[in-house]
Amino acid sequence: SQQGEEDPQALSIQEGENATMNCSYKTSINNLQWYRQNSGRGLVHLILIRSNEREKHSGRLRVTLDTSKKSSSLLITASRAADTASYFCATGNAGGTSYGKLTFGQGTILTVHP
Amino acid sequence: ETGVTQSPTHLIKTRGQQVTLRCSSQSGHNTVSWYQQALGQGPQFIFQYYREEENGRGNFPPRFSGLQFPNYSSELNVNALELDDSALYLCASSLARGRVGDTQYFGPGTRLTVL
Repeated sequence: SQQGEEDPQALSIQEGENATMNCSYKTSINNLQWYRQNSGRGLVHLILIRSNEREKHSGRLRVTLDTSKKSSSLLITASRAADTASYFCATGNAGGTSYGKLTFGQGTILTVHP
Repeated sequence: ETGVTQSPTHLIKTRGQQVTLRCSSQSGHNTVSWYQQALGQGPQFIFQYYREEENGRGNFPPRFSGLQFPNYSSELNVNALELDDSALYLCASSLARGRVGDTQYFGPGTRLTVL
C-alpha cells in the first residue's frame, strides 16, 4: 500500500518558473526522501530530510518537512525543460521490521515547457 | 549513473512461467532492495537482503523470492507468473544495513511483460 500522496498529480509550467510539489504521509517516519524518475526508468535520489529537520537545500531544490502535519514539499526553482520527469516522495519509517524499506507515494508528473 | 545495473532491460513471458531478474549493486554495498512499479504507480517494496539474508519483506506472496551473492549481485525470482506481475522491477543498493536514513541507489529497472 502507498504511504504518501503527492499533490498535484500533474504539474505543467514554463521554463524559469518555480515548481512546488507536496507530499502527505500517514505514519511516523525517520526520514523523507525525494526521487526523480525519467520516462519509467530508474529512480534518481534528490534529497533526504530527517524527521528532526525542517528545511533542506540542494542546488535549486528546497525541501520542507512538517512532522506535525505529516507533510513535505519539494520546490524546484528556475525550472528547466530537463526537469521534466516524475517526482516521488518516499518515507523511511520509524522502527518496524523492514529495515530500510522505503514507502513511495504515487508521484507528481512535472512538465516544463521551453 | 548510480553504479547499479540490471538485466535484462526488457522481458516478455507468458502466464505460469518463471522469471529471474538480475542486479549488480554498487561495489561495497551490502544491502539490496527490490521494488515493483506498476504503470502509473509508485514503487512498492518487495523485499530486502542484507549480507545474503532476507531482511524484511513487503506484501508479496512467496512466489517472489530472492538471492544475494557475495560479489554484490542479486536475483529476483518470480514463479507462476500472473498477468498482474507485469511491471517495472527496480533494485536498489545501499551501504550498511540499509538502516532507515540510508540513501538507496536505484538501477534502471527491468520491464517485465506477462502475456
